[in-house]
Amino acid sequence: EIVLTQSPATLSLSPGERATLSCRASQSVGNYLAWYQQKPGQAPRLFIYDASNRATGIPARFSGSGSGTDFTLTISSLEPEDFAVYYCQQRDNWPPTFGPGTKVEIK
Amino acid sequence: EVQLVQSGAEVKKPGEPLKISCKGSGYTFTTYWIAWVRQMPGKGLEWMGIIYPGDSDTRYSPSFQGQVTISADRSINTAYLQWGSLKASDTAIYYCARPALSSAGPFDYWGRGTLVTVSS
Repeated sequence: EIVLTQSPATLSLSPGERATLSCRASQSVGNYLAWYQQKPGQAPRLFIYDASNRATGIPARFSGSGSGTDFTLTISSLEPEDFAVYYCQQRDNWPPTFGPGTKVEIK
Repeated sequence: EVQLVQSGAEVKKPGEPLKISCKGSGYTFTTYWIAWVRQMPGKGLEWMGIIYPGDSDTRYSPSFQGQVTISADRSINTAYLQWGSLKASDTAIYYCARPALSSAGPFDYWGRGTLVTVSS
């Protein structure tokens, strides 16, 4: 089973700042990595798939990059609605696995 | 509009059986996989297993194999997750989700979740 590690666990930033979230896989997952956002009391929402493709309706300030074992989700300028937990998920190896999440909180 | 509508919250005692549901609408139910994902209180997401309603092909994460049963009734566009005997550690929110590109994801549609509380 592929283990995904996310860092940092918590990111404290102010609105308008740039956020950089990392996801590292225990072995290569190609580019088969997705990012989800989850707010309290809500289901996760797909933001990025296959490392760099934004899902429908996701603003351009969100971008994904990486391949193999190292991936990054970047939020270019944080909006108030972006403060949430972000999970990465790989679909290259069975079973699919999620990372433990990075919480982006207001500083 | 694609929707996954899950059954309501449940409060059960240890040892009791339970079956929760996820009804799909707005798309051809038999041509997309449906996955189940667990989220324990204050914790992250865990992929449990998946079913293809078209032929009932079912796959489980090793962590959940033998612990739960996933099934589907394509006549009513509904997938199920069931336990034969609940434990306190089964307390969690359970989401159903539909993968977009393959059986393994990414998951572009999610139900709102079913909170299962197991307590004596």
